[in-house]
Amino acid sequence: NAGVMQNPRHLVRRRGQEARLRCSPMKGHSHVYWYRQLPEEGLKFMVYLQKENIIDESGMPKERFSAEFPKEGPSILRIQQVVRGDSAAYFCASSPNHGQNYGYTFGSGTRLTVV
Amino acid sequence: GQNIDQPTEMTATEGAIVQINCTYQTSGFNGLFWYQQHAGEAPTFLSYNVLDGLEEKGRFSSFLSRSKGYSYLLLKELQMKDSASYLCAVEEGTGKLIFGQGTTLQVKP
Repeated sequence: NAGVMQNPRHLVRRRGQEARLRCSPMKGHSHVYWYRQLPEEGLKFMVYLQKENIIDESGMPKERFSAEFPKEGPSILRIQQVVRGDSAAYFCASSPNHGQNYGYTFGSGTRLTVV
Repeated sequence: GQNIDQPTEMTATEGAIVQINCTYQTSGFNGLFWYQQHAGEAPTFLSYNVLDGLEEKGRFSSFLSRSKGYSYLLLKELQMKDSASYLCAVEEGTGKLIFGQGTTLQVKP
């Protein structure tokens, strides 16, 4: 029973390149959440998605960031034209529904370094 | 506004008891979580409180007072492996977790 799988674990991008972060939720989970953890800071909510729908993107920067969770395949967090300030750990979590009645399980994260 | 406060660092001795406090002010409240996070790893679920009172699970207990906007995580019989960051998080209505900055606990022999 694999947990939440994120890849890659580490990603290095030059300024101006694109970064694609992938998240495969736990089997049976249809809700995905993305969080960002900047150095020395807590996790910050970015976006909540269900299959083919964005439910809440109130934490997403308005420009350069996008997320999707297609009917088939993993959820993708896409960062265009990366800048040094995008360097952070990006965590994905999944749940069978939202709320602790169902539980949130986190992946091990993708550590993005922009050089 | 949203604000979750917890101490940045704590130190305790192996075998002892430690209490990590968390105070919160959020626009919505569907429950409060505690997660453990070792460096470079995924946050792992420890406890969930939605009603006032104490929830006990082995060496870990968590307390909630909604009227005071206050929670604590109690760790008993500390072990070296308990050295980690402990994250307090409040769930808002849309399934969004608001995290505190985390408390780094160092357990010394």
